[in-house]
Amino acid sequence: SQQGEEDPQALSIQEGENATMNCSYKTSINNLQWYRQNSGRGLVHLILIRSNEREKHSGRLRVTLDTSKKSSSLLITASRAADTASYFCAPAAAGNKLTFGGGTRVLVKP
Amino acid sequence: DTGVSQDPRHKITKRGQNVTFRCDPISEHNRLYWYRQTLGQGPEFLTYFQNEAQLEKSRLLSDRFSAERPKGSFSTLEIQRTEQGDSAMYLCASSLASGGPYNEQFFGPGTRLTVL
Repeated sequence: SQQGEEDPQALSIQEGENATMNCSYKTSINNLQWYRQNSGRGLVHLILIRSNEREKHSGRLRVTLDTSKKSSSLLITASRAADTASYFCAPAAAGNKLTFGGGTRVLVKP
Repeated sequence: DTGVSQDPRHKITKRGQNVTFRCDPISEHNRLYWYRQTLGQGPEFLTYFQNEAQLEKSRLLSDRFSAERPKGSFSTLEIQRTEQGDSAMYLCASSLASGGPYNEQFFGPGTRLTVL
């Protein structure tokens, strides 16, 4: 079974708006990683947040982690059409094995 | 290009045939992972290696599946007696193990398997 679960499953926004997606997981983790996947393409690593961190930024991305609630969020600010993709959270347990959710499909309309 | 490479990119086979996929990780990475992804789903973990040692296998990895990393560099994933349910994208990723369990994984482009 997949540990990471993203919400919502799909998101449609206008270019320039912010996009927020959430991730919940079940067991303790070493870190949590977010990935992007364009249709039919490979996974691109976006950001890794460690279990002892609460917030991390990378360019237009902001990730939060709340280990007490076993949840994380990814915020994309000032979205662009090129941000259209599926976004996956992947909690990492022992061995850095990733357990992906079903992803959030984001559509950014120009 | 020094990223993770996978070969072939596409494979079409008939049910019952054997197939083998290859993954070449980033050269200094000592951990290598295999995942499987079906349409509309996230990747599912199959197995991983640290150097040449296979450290964990998912229960998804039936006895028809075998993976090797003989010299701690490239890895192969073999599926014997393929079934239509094996149709999926097979993804390989690599990472460093040093510095604690905080290392991002870099993914290859995947091998798309279609079993007819």
